[in-house]
Amino acid sequence: KQEVTQIPAALSVPEGENLVLNCSFTDSAIYNLQWFRQDPGKGLTSLLLIQSSQREQTSGRLNASLDKSSGRSTLYIAASQPGDSATYLCAVRPGYGGSQGNLIFGKGTKLSVKP
Amino acid sequence: SAVISQKPSRDICQRGTSLTIQCQVDSQVTMMFWYRQQPGQSLTLIATANQGSEATYESGFVIDKFPISRPNLTFSTLTVSNMSPEDSSIYLCSVPTGYGTDYGYTFGSGTRLTVV
Repeated sequence: KQEVTQIPAALSVPEGENLVLNCSFTDSAIYNLQWFRQDPGKGLTSLLLIQSSQREQTSGRLNASLDKSSGRSTLYIAASQPGDSATYLCAVRPGYGGSQGNLIFGKGTKLSVKP
Repeated sequence: SAVISQKPSRDICQRGTSLTIQCQVDSQVTMMFWYRQQPGQSLTLIATANQGSEATYESGFVIDKFPISRPNLTFSTLTVSNMSPEDSSIYLCSVPTGYGTDYGYTFGSGTRLTVV
């Protein structure tokens, strides 16, 4: 059974700092991995989608890497800003079994960027 | 990617009542998905809404409690029936975006439900 773990559960950093969020998954048989941002009480905003054949994806100040064989992904945020404060979720799309929409989510990392 | 409009954004409901959540997509999609996020937990898939056929429910979720409507390829509703405080959660709809096997998912803005 696929399980996704995110470390740390919470992180507080001063503005301007570079930071790394970690995501690990137990089964390397995945189609892709997606990073989302969730503001309190709100829906999910997709940040980056990495296919199983890719090593990394970049969007602005965000860079996500994927090491499928070791079951790990990292989300790197450069020059953090108070507006980056949110919960960051990673989710894998299993390569087999389950319903098509059944993304497996981690519990998220709650990020707070202090001015 | 698709844009999803989800309503209502939040509601406070009395126990024993029902709430219907709507999702409208700006393009036609074959499948729509409904998720629940209980406080402090990760998202869990409730069901897949199929156009023209009954929804497919995940283990632990039943049609009597979470009836789903999918009248066309751009719209779906999820009803939370006979609510109890344990149903207090964020409910989200989602659609696949992309091509072939390399698709990701887009989510609606969520419905924050509090049952009192």
